[in-house]
Amino acid sequence: EVQLVESGGGLVQPGGSLRLSCAVSGFTLSDYEMIWVRQAPGKGLEWVSYITGGGRTMYYADSVKGRFTLSRDNAQNSLYLQMSSLRAEDTAVYYCARGLRKLDYWGQGTLVTVSS
Amino acid sequence: EIVLTQSPATLSLSPGERATLSCRASQSVSSYLAWYQQKPGQAPRLLIYDVSNRATGIPARFSGSGSGTDFTLTISSLEPEDFAVYYCLQRSNWPLTFGGGTKVEIK
Repeated sequence: EVQLVESGGGLVQPGGSLRLSCAVSGFTLSDYEMIWVRQAPGKGLEWVSYITGGGRTMYYADSVKGRFTLSRDNAQNSLYLQMSSLRAEDTAVYYCARGLRKLDYWGQGTLVTVSS
Repeated sequence: EIVLTQSPATLSLSPGERATLSCRASQSVSSYLAWYQQKPGQAPRLLIYDVSNRATGIPARFSGSGSGTDFTLTISSLEPEDFAVYYCLQRSNWPLTFGGGTKVEIK
């Protein structure tokens, strides 16, 4: 059974850092592109970042470029989103999802709240 | 950046009725468009990819059509579980962009 489980969310002060993890099971992580999507409270979906199966190519939304870094450890079956210089507008539920052509599996999301 | 505009913002219908949701792109996205359904407190679920391909396990009452800049998601006969928010997503150009969503609510 394919599963994606995010963790690492929580309350952080503006300017702070947080590292989100996405642990996957039921498939070989290196075979798939992966993305992060976020959803601010009561708002729509926003793409955040993308990484290729081999981990050599990453793309970021302009809103997070230079502040967020995506990486993956295929041996550990995990994806990581290092977030720094966090702002109030980064407050959202963060989802990891498998694929690009079709985001066929999603995690349950982890809530990040940026507030003093 | 490609902007996806979904309409209407809210669709009020009764079970058994047909739902027609629109997604218009600010420039051509070829066939690189997908549709997702999201219910409160849940992650999005893939319905349709590459305009018209139903994802695994998606009922035949869901269908997608269109090309270039104008796309439609049709639910032929609404079931109670179909009342949700629907998003389109383009992967033609970076950045990936989602539409603002259409909420299908019970009339």
